Amino acid sequence: DAGVIQSPRHEVTEMGQEVTLRCKPISGHDYLFWYRQTMMRGLELLIYFNNNVPIDDSGMPEDRFSAKMPNASFSTLKIQPSEPRDSAVYFCASSLMSDTQYFGPGTRLTVL
Amino acid sequence: ILNVEQSPQSLHVQEGDSTNFTCSFPSSNFYALHWYRWETAKSPEALFVMTLNGDEKKKGRISATLNTKEGYSYLYIKGSQPEDSATYLCASNSNSGYALNFGKGTSLLVTP
Repeated sequence: DAGVIQSPRHEVTEMGQEVTLRCKPISGHDYLFWYRQTMMRGLELLIYFNNNVPIDDSGMPEDRFSAKMPNASFSTLKIQPSEPRDSAVYFCASSLMSDTQYFGPGTRLTVL
Repeated sequence: ILNVEQSPQSLHVQEGDSTNFTCSFPSSNFYALHWYRWETAKSPEALFVMTLNGDEKKKGRISATLNTKEGYSYLYIKGSQPEDSATYLCASNSNSGYALNFGKGTSLLVTP
């Protein structure tokens, strides 16, 4: 398996633009997690899905953030409109039940 | 303890030194404790998952112990090498869900 795949790896956009981050989990994994990493707050969980259903989205910062998982092999995290304070590295991870979470390479987002 | 806390925040040792770090986590409703190794510009890589009080895991020169009653885990590195330089993250999850609560990590630098 290729591991967790994320795209794009880098994204630079201007304030107010819509940003969509993509994730393909490891085949067969039933949990998918979106994290954000910043210097100030470290690695924080934004939302996670089980069998494509959102379970806990309490970490989503505000209504500008939304996440979907239309099928077992694809998830998106959307920010609309984006703001400079959203600049961070966004990681997607997947796991089989409560086992180890496997992280993707991350998307480095810069909002100017 | 409500959050996962790690100490020290950073550590600088000489090649060949042995070292250890501490992770403190909420002991109530504990389910599992995870250790990850995170190299700069890469994604976190799983080292260990431990669930039972008294668990000890070993991978080469790296080992970890778990005390669920008092809520702490130690990570040991024997004979540190420059390639061990990384941030070591611990995370716990409770039996109410699979979301991981991460500490801010211990940044280890091993110099020749």
